Amino acid sequence: GAGVSQSPSNKVTEKGKDVELRCDPISGHTALYWYRQSLGQGLEFLIYFQGNSAPDKSGLPSDRFSAERTGGSVSTLTIQRTQQEDSAVYLCASSLVRAGPFQLAGGVDTQYFGPGTRLTVL
Amino acid sequence: GQNIDQPTEMTATEGAIVQINCTYQTSGFNGLFWYQQHAGEAPTFLSYNVLDGLEEKGRFSSFLSRSKGYSYLLLKELQMKDSASYLCAVKNAGNMLTFGGGTRLMVKP
Repeated sequence: GAGVSQSPSNKVTEKGKDVELRCDPISGHTALYWYRQSLGQGLEFLIYFQGNSAPDKSGLPSDRFSAERTGGSVSTLTIQRTQQEDSAVYLCASSLVRAGPFQLAGGVDTQYFGPGTRLTVL
Repeated sequence: GQNIDQPTEMTATEGAIVQINCTYQTSGFNGLFWYQQHAGEAPTFLSYNVLDGLEEKGRFSSFLSRSKGYSYLLLKELQMKDSASYLCAVKNAGNMLTFGGGTRLMVKP
């Protein structure tokens, strides 16, 4: 498929365990984003990768959260020692290029989302 | 800081027109996006405004006023399948999107 894919679609884990969530962006997209969405809430930004630049980790809620992006493509979000408040849907998005100010639409810098991973911490 | 406000819920009738408002206060502005999200699904892109004015795409239109920090999404000829959450998101001077809490729209027969 041509879209963003994520795995697993659902993950149930016990409190204190580590989990890894995977994101495969759209081929050729240089930017990759992770968001978290709690039930009935908006999207909370977690981390952003752009090409070979250092990632923007400003949205990570604690040092239990980390992410890497290997080869500029696939990304893994790792949550260590999971807590019940980590339960949420974790969404990954990718976009083609980093746009400057007043970049015209055409959707060049539009973020396209994957289906998400629903994480439940018991 | 970033602050994006939109109504939590709206209800409208099939065939009618509904306007979903979004106001924002952000440090830097590089465009405003609207996304549609059906329950249990990923957000899907609807529209993008970076200049003032109205962008029309079929039954959906989006308006932006940068001086007022205001946007709206207009949905015409509502259909039952339009029942979803509508997310307003602002891109700052970098490439980051800050999302509002979303507006849950219920379309009734």
